[in-house]
Parts: sequence; C-alpha cells; structure tokens
Amino acid sequence: GAVVSQHPSRVICKSGTSVKIECRSLDFQATTMFWYRQFPKQSLMLMATSNEGSKATYEQGVEKDKFLINHASLTLSTLTVTSAHPEDSSFYICSASLAGNYEQYFGPGTRLTVT
Amino acid sequence: EDQVTQSPEALRLQEGESSSLNCSYTVSGLRGLFWYRQDPGKGPEFLFTLYSAGEEKEKERLKATLTKKESFLHITAPKPEDSATYLCAVQAPGGYNKLIFGAGTRLAVHP
Repeated sequence: GAVVSQHPSRVICKSGTSVKIECRSLDFQATTMFWYRQFPKQSLMLMATSNEGSKATYEQGVEKDKFLINHASLTLSTLTVTSAHPEDSSFYICSASLAGNYEQYFGPGTRLTVT
Repeated sequence: EDQVTQSPEALRLQEGESSSLNCSYTVSGLRGLFWYRQDPGKGPEFLFTLYSAGEEKEKERLKATLTKKESFLHITAPKPEDSATYLCAVQAPGGYNKLIFGAGTRLAVHP
C-alpha cells in the first residue's frame, strides 16, 4: 500500500515553455501533498504544501507564480513550472500523506531538463 | 531554528562490516523522526518512524533508535544492496505534517 506515482518521469523542454508534472496517490486518499526539489547530491528542499481544495502554502523563496500547484482531488496534485529556464532544471519529487498520519510517501520523482 | 544534521556525509563499508549513521536534531516539540532510503534517480523510500525517546524499530539489517537529541540507524552486516543515501527527517511543529530533512549519508558497501 501507500503507492505514489509521478508523471512524466523525465521531461526535456525548451526555455520559455511550461511543463506540468502530475502526482497521484494510487491506493489511498491523500489529504495533503508536498512538492520537493532536489539538486545533485543535495537533500530535499520543500517547495510547497497543498491540501485538497485549497490554495498551496509555499515555502519562503519559492515563487508561487512560477511554480503553480493544483490539488484538485484527494488523489491528484499537479505542479506546473511556468516559463521554464535552465536554472529550473532539477529533480522534482512529490509526496503524499493521510489525514492524521505523519508519514509521507514519496513518488519516484521527475527529472526536468530545460534547454 | 529547527535543524537536522546527519553524519557522516559519506561512509564506505566492507560487506559484513556493521556501522551506525547519526542524525542529530533541534526542534521545538518533536512530533516524529523519519528515516528514508533513497537510491540514485529515485524518490525516497520510507523505512521507519520514531515518536519518542527510547523507541527502537527494526527491519532486516536496519535498526533505528531515538534519544531526545539524536537518532541512530544501525546497519548490521551490510550487503552491497544496502548502498544508498539514507535520509533523516523530523516533523516540524505546526500543521500540514511538514518535514525537515537532513543532508543525508551516502553509504557504499563493497563486496
């Protein structure tokens, strides 16, 4: 149980375009989903927290207009990187947790490369 | 400020050579400490949750322990397949179950 999927696993896009990444909880309903960013050989940096049906809470320094997060249902959250630039190239990972459960279950990650 | 520090940064072991990874934390009101394993190019895989000092949990060759200031992940007789980055995280106070991660320990087990 507690499986989280992400799509796509890898994406290459041109500078100035937008990219959408999906995060799905496959066998449970996730009241809260989290989006992280990870640079090579570094740890996970929380970007934002999203709850189903409400606006995402962004961490300090994360541009909400650049990283659009939508949590439309209890099993789906999306992250859209708008007007992507090469410095947005990174490994993006989502996680999901159940109500009243502190454990987070992570997706396999999405490797974004902006050329 | 809430903080998580892991040591060592990297560890190289021979197969069968037991060792421990350390995670020290400063957080006001610990709600949970988590250990994850991460393989290159993949998302973290949940290993353990510890909630109170004195608590221990085991899974195969791994054993996690918790004190009021730190946690240890003991690896007994490791095998090459245990090679990975091990991440420690603490639950931050406040809502939404936010986690604060340490930088991780990169473990390499050689045959």
